[in-house]
Amino acid sequence: ILNVEQSPQSLHVQEGDSTNFTCSFPSSNFYALHWYRWETAKSPEALFVMTLNGDEKKKGRISATLNTKEGYSYLYIKGSQPEDSATYLCALPGGSYIPTFGRGTSLIVHP
Amino acid sequence: NAGVMQNPRHLVRRRGQEARLRCSPMKGHSHVYWYRQLPEEGLKFMVYLQKENIIDESGMPKERFSAEFPKEGPSILRIQQVVRGDSAAYFCASSPNAAGGTDTQYFGPGTRLTVL
Repeated sequence: ILNVEQSPQSLHVQEGDSTNFTCSFPSSNFYALHWYRWETAKSPEALFVMTLNGDEKKKGRISATLNTKEGYSYLYIKGSQPEDSATYLCALPGGSYIPTFGRGTSLIVHP
Repeated sequence: NAGVMQNPRHLVRRRGQEARLRCSPMKGHSHVYWYRQLPEEGLKFMVYLQKENIIDESGMPKERFSAEFPKEGPSILRIQQVVRGDSAAYFCASSPNAAGGTDTQYFGPGTRLTVL
């Protein structure tokens, strides 16, 4: 079973703050890493897929980096807005290429 | 282009009844994944199917649970003789190719099963 850890479990920030959180995974046999955004009462939506060590992806105020040698990815949000409040999930393929999801980081942005 | 559709969105069953959850993948997607989210927990993989084939069911309980993805029609997750512990949100996701690689999964809105 692939061990995918996300930290912190939850995060409260004020509107306008920048924030970041971590997805950690075993560095051996890395294939790809996916970030998803999951708003309450909705379904998870894909943000990024990352494959190469040193990858950096960006979508608006959200960006992500990947370090496959040390086994982590960071997700950054610049100038958080209340609409950024969601749970952010990372997922990696494990055995049989079945995605294994972390438990997520719950972000709450206070106006 | 409709997204992944699941129905019903909410399902209430009494202990011992059967629950049938349906998932229609996005058009052109032939890979379907079912996940379960228990209260206070993350998404747990249950089963991976392609058309008419179960590829991996390692996350699905051996008893009472079954899944299918027929040539025509939606994928169905079936839970027989439900118990209170089956109460959870069940999500379906689809992808055009095996999502364990670089292909993104597209999720449905989920079915929230409550067992009384």
